[in-house]
Amino acid sequence: NAGVMQNPRHLVRRRGQEARLRCSPMKGHSHVYWYRQLPEEGLKFMVYLQKENIIDESGMPKERFSAEFPKEGPSILRIQQVVRGDSAAYFCASSPGTGSFQPQHFGDGTRLSIL
Amino acid sequence: SQQGEEDPQALSIQEGENATMNCSYKTSINNLQWYRQNSGRGLVHLILIRSNEREKHSGRLRVTLDTSKKSSSLLITASRAADTASYFCASHLRAGGTSYGKLTFGQGTILTVHP
Repeated sequence: NAGVMQNPRHLVRRRGQEARLRCSPMKGHSHVYWYRQLPEEGLKFMVYLQKENIIDESGMPKERFSAEFPKEGPSILRIQQVVRGDSAAYFCASSPGTGSFQPQHFGDGTRLSIL
Repeated sequence: SQQGEEDPQALSIQEGENATMNCSYKTSINNLQWYRQNSGRGLVHLILIRSNEREKHSGRLRVTLDTSKKSSSLLITASRAADTASYFCASHLRAGGTSYGKLTFGQGTILTVHP
């Protein structure tokens, strides 16, 4: 069984460019979560999505960041006009339907470096 | 504010010894989860303890939860060099609505087990 797949594993962008990070959840999982991890720190929640719906985006910066989880295809985290401070590891997690006692399964992350 | 605080920040032990990591949180929770992260990889779910549980075991892992003190501990018995990793607690907050699904992570404990 394939786990959560994230690509690319590493992404290098210059300041001002756009970064697109993709996440395919585990088979049968309809809930996707994005987290950001700065060096030497824990993960910080960004956004929680279900198919075609954003459920909670309380951790998303108000500008330049957006996320989607379309009916078909992977979830996308998009960062426009990247700045140095966006350099981090971005992790996607998925879980099956409702139920607060379901663990989240994580991908190996995308390491974003801004030059 | 930081929901999860962990201590120690770093722990270095010899193979065969036990390792104990502690986590505190600030608000009411549905459950608390422990994850492990190897360098450069995503998080792996270890164990979930519900708010109405006090202790849970899984193999060499033992987790306790004290909701009156808003704290949890993870004990790894008979440690192995392969246990070397970062360990994070993550709290799943009580209440439905938009907080549902979001995990709040601590800063993590870096465990090094020397052979």
